[in-house]
Parts: sequence; C-alpha cells; structure tokens
Amino acid sequence: EVQLVQSGAEVKKPGESLKISCKGSGYSFTSYWIGWVRQMPGKGLEWMGIIYPGDSDTRYSPSFQGQVTISADKSISTAYLQWSSLKASDTAMYYCVRLRGEFEHMDVWGKGTTVTVSS
Amino acid sequence: DIQMTQSPSTLSASVGDRVTITCRASQSISSWLAWYQQKPGKAPKLLIYKASSLESGVPSRFSGSGSGTEFTLTISSLQPDDFATYYCQQYNSYSLTFGGGTKVEIK
Repeated sequence: EVQLVQSGAEVKKPGESLKISCKGSGYSFTSYWIGWVRQMPGKGLEWMGIIYPGDSDTRYSPSFQGQVTISADKSISTAYLQWSSLKASDTAMYYCVRLRGEFEHMDVWGKGTTVTVSS
Repeated sequence: DIQMTQSPSTLSASVGDRVTITCRASQSISSWLAWYQQKPGKAPKLLIYKASSLESGVPSRFSGSGSGTEFTLTISSLQPDDFATYYCQQYNSYSLTFGGGTKVEIK
C-alpha cells in the first residue's frame, strides 16, 4: 500500500525551531515529487513547496520562500519541513503529499501533522 | 500567480440531488485542474485530475468537465458520504493554487 506517514503533533513556543517528517512507503520514494500543504484552522489549502527526493531539487511557493526549509533523506525515504523560528501564525495542520509529477496533482496525502505555537 | 475562485462557498442539498460546483481560473490553465474532497478532521482525497479523469477507486457519480478558465465538478446523485468540502487546484504554471473550497451541507 502506498502511504505517507507523518510525525506526531507538536506544541511549541514562539521563537523555537521545529522539523516535522513524512516517511513514504509502498512505492519508489525517489521517483515522485513530495510536497507540503498548509491548512490553518478553519481555512483552505495552501501549497508551500515541493522536493524531488531523487536529487533534492526543491521549489517553494513565493508565499513561503524564506519562511520554511524543505529537505529529504532518500536513504530513509523521508521528507522534512522545518522552521528556524516559529510564530503563532504558523499554527496549522501540515500535510505532506505525493505529486504525480513536478507541479502536478496530489494523489497521495499523509494524515497531517498539527503544529501549535503558543506562549 | 493564477487565482482560483470556487462557487458557491456553501451549498445545501439533499440525498439524491444532482450537485454542481464551479471553479474559475484567473487565466487559462488548459485542462490542468484537479478536484479534492475533504471531510472534517481528515486529509483531502483526490477525486478528479486533468479536469475530467476519475481517480482510481472514486465512485462514478463524480465527474469533472471544463477547460481554459471554467470548470465544474458534478455529483450526479448525492450520497450521505458526499457531505464534505471540495477544493479545486490548478497545476498549469510553475505554481500550485487551490480554490477557496465549497462546503456541501445537508439540507
């Protein structure tokens, strides 16, 4: 079964750093782009960026460029989303997704990681 | 950036109704459009890609149409499991954009 398994919920304070993960299984992890999608409480979906685990080629949405870092470790079939200094406005659900191709539709979704940033 | 506008934002319907949701792009995206269904507390699920291609395992009561700037998602006979929020997403440019969503509620 093709699946993306995300790391668990996080509660952090403003200014702290964070790295969440997404492990792919059931398919060739290095052959598909992986993306991250944000959903703020009660709001819609926003694309953050994508990475090709085969060579770590990365693309960011202009709205998130410089705000987060996307990376991948192909040896353990895992992609990451990280923040160096969290803000309260980063409170959201974060989904990792598999894309059918670069800038394509998203055919597999992880269950999501809830990030809460509060003092 | 390409903007995606969905209408209506909320739709009230009954089981058995035919339901149509519209998605408009701010510029032509050819047929590079997908539709997703999201239920409360769950991750979105791909229904339709390339405007009209049904994803494997998705019931045939779901269909998509359109090209250029105007697209529709149709549910031919609404079932209890279909009450959810639906999102369109364009993938024409080197960017990915979602519509604001359409919540389908029980009438």
